[in-house]
Amino acid sequence: NAGVTQTPKFQVLKTGQSMTLQCAQDMNHNSMYWYRQDPGMGLRLIYYSASEGTTDKGEVPNGYNVSRLNKREFSLRLESAAPSQTSVYFCASSEDHSLSNQPQHFGDGTRLSIL
Amino acid sequence: LAKTTQPISMDSYEGQEVNITCSHNNIATNDYITWYQQFPSQGPRFIIQGYKTKVTNEVASLFIPADRKSSTLSLPRVSLSDTAVYYCLVGVYNTDKLIFGTGTRLQVFP
Repeated sequence: NAGVTQTPKFQVLKTGQSMTLQCAQDMNHNSMYWYRQDPGMGLRLIYYSASEGTTDKGEVPNGYNVSRLNKREFSLRLESAAPSQTSVYFCASSEDHSLSNQPQHFGDGTRLSIL
Repeated sequence: LAKTTQPISMDSYEGQEVNITCSHNNIATNDYITWYQQFPSQGPRFIIQGYKTKVTNEVASLFIPADRKSSTLSLPRVSLSDTAVYYCLVGVYNTDKLIFGTGTRLQVFP
C-alpha cells in the first residue's frame, strides 16, 4: 500500500539551479496536487491537476511549473531555484477534485533547501 | 479569496476533550469542510469531514453551524498521541479552489 510516493525526500540546491520533484500515486485517483509548507504559513496550494491532461494554478504558482505525465504521475519543476523556495513540498491526490467530499491523500514530503 | 483562521496553539491534558475551531468566510456553498491531522515529518492525514450540523466517527466529531462560517473539531478524551497540528480545509466560494487553514498546534500533557 504505497499510496502517494514523493522523490527525493531531501535536496539541497544552489540559487539558480533547476530541479524536478516527482510524485506518483497508485490509487487510480483522478486529481493530484502540489503544496508547499512553510513555518507559520500552513499548506499553500501551488498547482493542481483536476484530471489527466489538465493543470491549474493555485495560490502560489510563481516560479514553478508542473506536468501531469499520466494518471499516476504529477511532477513539479523549479526552473531557477531561489532561496524563497526553501520549503517542504507535499504532493497529494484525491478521487475527483470536483467532489469536495473526496479526502486528499498526502505523501511524506520533500524537504528542499536552496542556498 | 476565502480566509480561514485557526488558533495558533492549544494545550490540553490527557483524558480531556479538546475543541478546535476554524473560522471561514466566503466559503463555497456546496463544498464539504474537511479536517486533517499532521505529525512531524509526515504529510497531513484525513480525520473527518462534514457539510452541516454534526458528524461523528471513531476518532472525532465535527460541528458545523447553519451559517457555515465556522466549524469545530472535537477530540474526545485526548491522549499523548494526539499531539499534532490540525488543519481545516475549505472550498472557496465561486471557484474550484481549496485552501487550508493556518493550522492549530495541539500539545497534550500527561
